[in-house]
Amino acid sequence: KAGVTQTPRYLIKTRGQQVTLSCSPISGHRSVSWYQQTPGQGLQFLFEYFSETQRNKGNFPGRFSGRQFSNSRSEMNVSTLELGDSALYLCASSWTGADYGYTFGSGTRLTVV
Amino acid sequence: EDKVVQSPLSLVVHEGDTVTLNCSYEVTNFRSLLWYKQEKKAPTFLFMLTSSGIEKKSGRLSSILDKKELFSILNITATQTGDSAIYLCAVSYAGGTSYGKLTFGQGTILTVHP
Repeated sequence: KAGVTQTPRYLIKTRGQQVTLSCSPISGHRSVSWYQQTPGQGLQFLFEYFSETQRNKGNFPGRFSGRQFSNSRSEMNVSTLELGDSALYLCASSWTGADYGYTFGSGTRLTVV
Repeated sequence: EDKVVQSPLSLVVHEGDTVTLNCSYEVTNFRSLLWYKQEKKAPTFLFMLTSSGIEKKSGRLSSILDKKELFSILNITATQTGDSAIYLCAVSYAGGTSYGKLTFGQGTILTVHP
């Protein structure tokens, strides 16, 4: 079966712009979560969606937002990009969340210049 | 504040060596501890541990959880160059305000030389 698909793979944006990243979970998985990975901070939780509802949100500014559609696909948006937003953004999907393992996508590498 | 701490942060060994990676945690509403291997981008799932003292094995890799002392170890025997990667430990939650998230440790960078 297909894994977690993230698009695009790479992005270069200018400070002040906004960006939208997409994640298609494994078929049947209803939980989708997003993580930011940087060399200094490691993997940090952004937010988690289940059946189109945000169940949890990490400690990130309001410039970071997301949503989940009825087919479980998810998008995250970052507005007013800053240099510090340069990171690998990873999406993970699971059947319901905590009770099962999470499968990660290959990520989107965002570079802000 | 919830904490997941891995040690060592980096490790260099030669093929054939056995390595032990450590993960300690202090979290509320603990549900499970997960190990992932990250080679290039996507972390790949290795183990999920929920019960104390039960070893999980997959080939040369094994892991065990101690819920009393709040730590887990990941063992890799007869290491190969293909084991070179970042090994990530994460904790999931049973409920409360953290349900649905994973809290990760800093990762251990393992380098295996031929």
